[in-house]
Parts: sequence; structure tokens; C-alpha cells
Amino acid sequence: AQSVTQLDSHVSVSEGTPVLLRCNYSSSYSPSLFWYVQHPNKGLQLLLKYTSAATLVKGINGFEAEFKKSETSFHLTKPSAHMSDAAEYFCVVSDLGNQFYFGTGTSLTVIP
Amino acid sequence: ETGVTQTPRHLVMGMTNKKSLKCEQHLGHNAMYWYKQSAKKPLELMFVYSLEERVENNSVPSRFSPECPNSSHLFLHLHTLQPEDSALYLCASSQSKAGGTDTQYFGPGTRLTVL
Repeated sequence: AQSVTQLDSHVSVSEGTPVLLRCNYSSSYSPSLFWYVQHPNKGLQLLLKYTSAATLVKGINGFEAEFKKSETSFHLTKPSAHMSDAAEYFCVVSDLGNQFYFGTGTSLTVIP
Repeated sequence: ETGVTQTPRHLVMGMTNKKSLKCEQHLGHNAMYWYKQSAKKPLELMFVYSLEERVENNSVPSRFSPECPNSSHLFLHLHTLQPEDSALYLCASSQSKAGGTDTQYFGPGTRLTVL
């Protein structure tokens, strides 16, 4: 069975400081993992995805995530937060039938 | 955000009304999805269509009725809804349903309020 746990429901950082959003997954096979971002009143936008290639995945807007099989983690990072990064972030694991299992989301606040 | 479009963006309806949500994808994909996003809950998959055939129905009440007339269009027909059905309804599409690696592309959603 597949599942995703986002360890923090809310994260606050100051503008210009690093961002870390944590995600742990469980999967009965080699998973595909995604991070999506949702700005207020908008749909979900793909940030990046991992599909068994390089374990360090680079995405849009300076975000990246590292797949660590031994830790069953796929944390999202960014070296320097920008005000426009304030949004809801979702970690997702996909099964062989392409069904997506979403985490409950992490709300990122960026303080000026 | 022209890949997947949804109309209307906002909808307010009474419990006795009948309305429909529309989704259109311009990506040439073969699979389409309806999700429900409620506050403080993970996204809930409602229906999946692959090549215009419904392949999943996750125990959704019959007051929600999907329709997929072709691979580019997906509808969600609503009737006799309850206030707890108020949520953001998101449509998504992917190249295929099988494989597990296909990215799902989401529309902007329809914010539904049931009075």
C-alpha cells in the first residue's frame, strides 16, 4: 500500500533563508514521487518529480528534492525563500495504476 | 494554465439544484480525473476515466455523476447535493493511467458552495 506523510502542516521562514518541507512515504515497490504547489485559489502545479533516475531532482523556481530510499524520504528544499513561494505544498506518491496518494499538505509562510 | 481548463470557477447552488462542472484538457492525454479538495483533508480521488471509460469510482455518492464524452472533455453532474459537498473540485489529466510515472496536470478547480 502507498501512503505519504508530510511531517509539518505549517512552516514559516524568513525571506532569503532556506526552505525545508519534509515528506516520508511508504510504498510496496519502487515509487514515483512528486511535489506539487498550490497558490491560493489556484490549481496544483507540478514542481518536480522522481521516477527512479537521479536521486537529486531539480524542479522549477529553484526547488529540489532528494530521494532517500533508506530513509523513505523525499524532502523538498530551496536555498533561499522568496515571498512568492508562500503557498500550499503537496507531496505525492504514485502507484502502478497511476493513482496518486496525496499528503495532507504543508502551508509555507514567508516572512518579509 | 491553458493545459487543463475548468468552468465555472465558482458555483453556488441550493440543495435541490442540478448543475454541471466542465473540464477540458488540451494536452492530448488519454486519462482524466476528478478530485475533491476539502479543508484540512488530503485530496480525494473521485473518478478516473481512461480512453473515455470509467475505470475507478471511489465510493462516491450517486448525487455525483461523471460523464466523459471524449478524451478531451470531462463533466461532473451534480444533483441534490449536501452542504458537506462544498469543496474545491479539481480536474486532472495524464498521458495514460497505467505505469505510475505519468504526471497529472491539474486545472484551476471549481469552488463549489452548497447552501
